[in-house]
Amino acid sequence: SQQGEEDPQALSIQEGENATMNCSYKTSINNLQWYRQNSGRGLVHLILIRSNEREKHSGRLRVTLDTSKKSSSLLITASRAADTASYFCATVLNQAGTALIFGKGTTLSVSS
Amino acid sequence: DAGVIQSPRHEVTEMGQEVTLRCKPISGHDYLFWYRQTMMRGLELLIYFNNNVPIDDSGMPEDRFSAKMPNASFSNLKIQPSEPRDSAVYFCASSPQGRASPLHFGNGTRLTVT
Repeated sequence: SQQGEEDPQALSIQEGENATMNCSYKTSINNLQWYRQNSGRGLVHLILIRSNEREKHSGRLRVTLDTSKKSSSLLITASRAADTASYFCATVLNQAGTALIFGKGTTLSVSS
Repeated sequence: DAGVIQSPRHEVTEMGQEVTLRCKPISGHDYLFWYRQTMMRGLELLIYFNNNVPIDDSGMPEDRFSAKMPNASFSNLKIQPSEPRDSAVYFCASSPQGRASPLHFGNGTRLTVT
């Protein structure tokens, strides 16, 4: 069963606009990670946020984590056509020995 | 750093045939993961290894699937016999610290079983 669920499933915006994607999960986590996947390629890690962190930044990316609501958001500011991709959140449960569990992703289309 | 290398990139086979997918992880990474991606089910973890030892294979769908990691630089995933519902993109990923660190993915093997 899916641990993380991204919302929305698809998002279309214009270049220069901001894109926000959300991820909700069900059980207590150790950390949460965001990945990007371009068409026909493997996933690329974007950012990792630990359960005791609330916000992290990396370039034009901003990730927040609200463990009380079991949710995270990924904000891409000043989007570019090259940001067109699918974005996945992945959670690592607090249960020892468990690996990353991925959601089904948000497909982002940025038009110029 | 050559990244995670998977072969072949595409595999088309007939139902009933044996399929072997290969993966070379990044040198020094102690963890190796096999995932399967389909439109319907998204990314599913099949199995993962730590220091060449399988840790969790609960995601392996059936006895038709098997995976080995004979040494730190190679792993394979076999499907015997293959079925059309096995059609998917299979990804291998490696990481230096398992769940505490990011995964590095290969570009996947697109398997089509007719």
